[in-house]
Amino acid sequence: ETGVTQSPTHLIKTRGQQVTLRCSSQSGHNTVSWYQQALGQGPQFIFQYYREEENGRGNFPPRFSGLQFPNYSSELNVNALELDDSALYLCASSSGGGGGARDTQYFGPGTRLTVL
Amino acid sequence: AQSVTQLDSQVPVFEEAPVELRCNYSSSVSVYLFWYVQYPNQGLQLLLKYLSGSTLVKGINGFEAEFNKSQTSFHLRKPSVHISDTAEYFCAVSEGNRDDKIIFGKGTRLHILP
Repeated sequence: ETGVTQSPTHLIKTRGQQVTLRCSSQSGHNTVSWYQQALGQGPQFIFQYYREEENGRGNFPPRFSGLQFPNYSSELNVNALELDDSALYLCASSSGGGGGARDTQYFGPGTRLTVL
Repeated sequence: AQSVTQLDSQVPVFEEAPVELRCNYSSSVSVYLFWYVQYPNQGLQLLLKYLSGSTLVKGINGFEAEFNKSQTSFHLRKPSVHISDTAEYFCAVSEGNRDDKIIFGKGTRLHILP
């Protein structure tokens, strides 16, 4: 069984650029959640996708957007990057009827984004 | 709005000693509660979760936690720690009627002293 994978592992961008982060969910999982973890902080919920539809969103501006594909892999896109977007971005997958919390979320290792 | 407070940012403890990591939450509705562990350069791993039923929850690696509704707490305990328990521990909460979103605390770094 393959776990959750994320790519790339590290990324450096400059202010104003756009970035796309990728996540492959664990086999059999149909739900993907994205989190932002700033240095020294706990993860913050960005949004969740269930069967290719957004299923909930945290307090992040519209320049944070996402996609989920038919194979349940997912992308996180961030436009107009700001210095404060520097963080570890975590993806988590789970199975079930879009229940993000009741179903155990399996996390990937994350993508560390640095914005200069 | 729900929130999670982890009272200690760092906890040093000697190997084979017991440890308790404290967590308090605030919410106006019923909640689900979680503890996650994050080892260096890795993602988060679920230690245990409370959804309903028995207030004492047992998890992996010998950890357990007790849900106390009156004190709005969900403290994590282990009777004897090992050097391999060195990690960051996150308490988290999700509202029972809005279970798409998990709110995490800021984390507690557990230092195991030889």
